[in-house]
Amino acid sequence: DVKVTQSSRYLVKRTGEKVFLECVQDMDHENMFWYRQDPGLGLRLIYFSYDVKMKEKGDIPEGYSVSREKKERFSLILESASTNQTSMYLCASSLGSWGYGYTFGSGTRLTVV
Amino acid sequence: GIQVEQSPPDLILQEGANSTLRCNFSDSVNNLQWFHQNPWGQLINLFYIPSGTKQNGRLSATTVATERYSLLYISSSQTTDSGVYFCAVERTSGTYKYIFGTGTRLKVLA
Repeated sequence: DVKVTQSSRYLVKRTGEKVFLECVQDMDHENMFWYRQDPGLGLRLIYFSYDVKMKEKGDIPEGYSVSREKKERFSLILESASTNQTSMYLCASSLGSWGYGYTFGSGTRLTVV
Repeated sequence: GIQVEQSPPDLILQEGANSTLRCNFSDSVNNLQWFHQNPWGQLINLFYIPSGTKQNGRLSATTVATERYSLLYISSSQTTDSGVYFCAVERTSGTYKYIFGTGTRLKVLA
């Protein structure tokens, strides 16, 4: 079975901390994505990667960066966590060809205090 | 940009009932997916359906791309169908970046 694994289910961090959210997929997928989900706002794309060391900004990249040093791992970095980054963070992956959908991880609920 | 609207926003059903969820989009799209988010937050891909009709057990989906809508049918609903159903459309072909609707929250009562 295809799997996308996010390293933490729940995380509590302090304002100003640098935060790393990790995502690993075992499906040899080319594409990986980070979304955040907030009540009333739905899922919004933060960053996207279509290959190792390649990245593209999504709709809300401010305050975030990403790293993809290996094909299976895509990390989301909050450079200096703020309370408005409290959210559910969802990682997804997909094949780099037409006809395939997303596979999501189980999510990381981040609280910044 | 593309707008994705889902209806109804909320739905309550008795177990065994059938339902139809709708997704309208404001522009031509190349790809469309339906997802179910269970009460624990896990998003599961139900269908990848840029056009036509697909069926998987009690669920089926139809996308009429020329008329800019997609429908998700749930037959003989079960309590495990509860959760939020999202449709998502790829805004530009080949980018694999999807914009999500705000979802239909379904509750199935025993």
